[in-house]
Amino acid sequence: EIVLTQSPATLSLSPGERATLSCRASQSVSSYLAWYQQKPGQAPRLLIYDASNRATGIPARFSGSGSGTDFTLTISSLEPEDFAVYYCQQRSNWPTFGPGTKVDIK
Amino acid sequence: QVQLQESGPGLVKPSQTLSLTCTVSGGSISSGSYYWSWIRQPAGKGLEWIGRIYTSGSTNYNPSLKSRVTISVDTSKNQFSLKLSSVTAADTAVYYCARGITGTTEFDPWGQGTLVTVSS
Repeated sequence: EIVLTQSPATLSLSPGERATLSCRASQSVSSYLAWYQQKPGQAPRLLIYDASNRATGIPARFSGSGSGTDFTLTISSLEPEDFAVYYCQQRSNWPTFGPGTKVDIK
Repeated sequence: QVQLQESGPGLVKPSQTLSLTCTVSGGSISSGSYYWSWIRQPAGKGLEWIGRIYTSGSTNYNPSLKSRVTISVDTSKNQFSLKLSSVTAADTAVYYCARGITGTTEFDPWGQGTLVTVSS
């Protein structure tokens, strides 16, 4: 099983600030990594696929990078609606998710 | 666009079988190179992939749940279903259905989720 580790567990920032979220895989997943945003009471929403491609309708302030075992999701300037939990996910062997990073308001 | 909606009992007794259905609207469950997955999330916790079914009927399951899971598809009703047997309180979670595309990583779209509680 490929284990995904996300850091930090919680990120406390103010609107307008830059958020940098990390996802590390226990072995290489190439570029087969996706990022999701989840708000309370809602299903996860796809943000990024194949490590760096924004999904349809996702604002340009969201960007993804990385390959192999180390990946980053960057939110260039936090909007009020961006405070949520973010999960990474890989598909090798079978799909697994990271434990999530909560971005909350400082 | 394609939408998914989960349905089924919200309360299941321990040792019984949890049964959920996902109805796909806005497109045919048989079209394209899609597969259809179930994913669950215990309250306050992370996401766990349960399994998937291709429109061919081929299935893959999470090894940790494989002995208890069956996923099936009914193309005539544009639905796919989950059965999880011998449930315990640890199976209490919000259950989501989601679409994937063969050869890709991501799940999109997702259903809104349905809470299933295992309790006597």
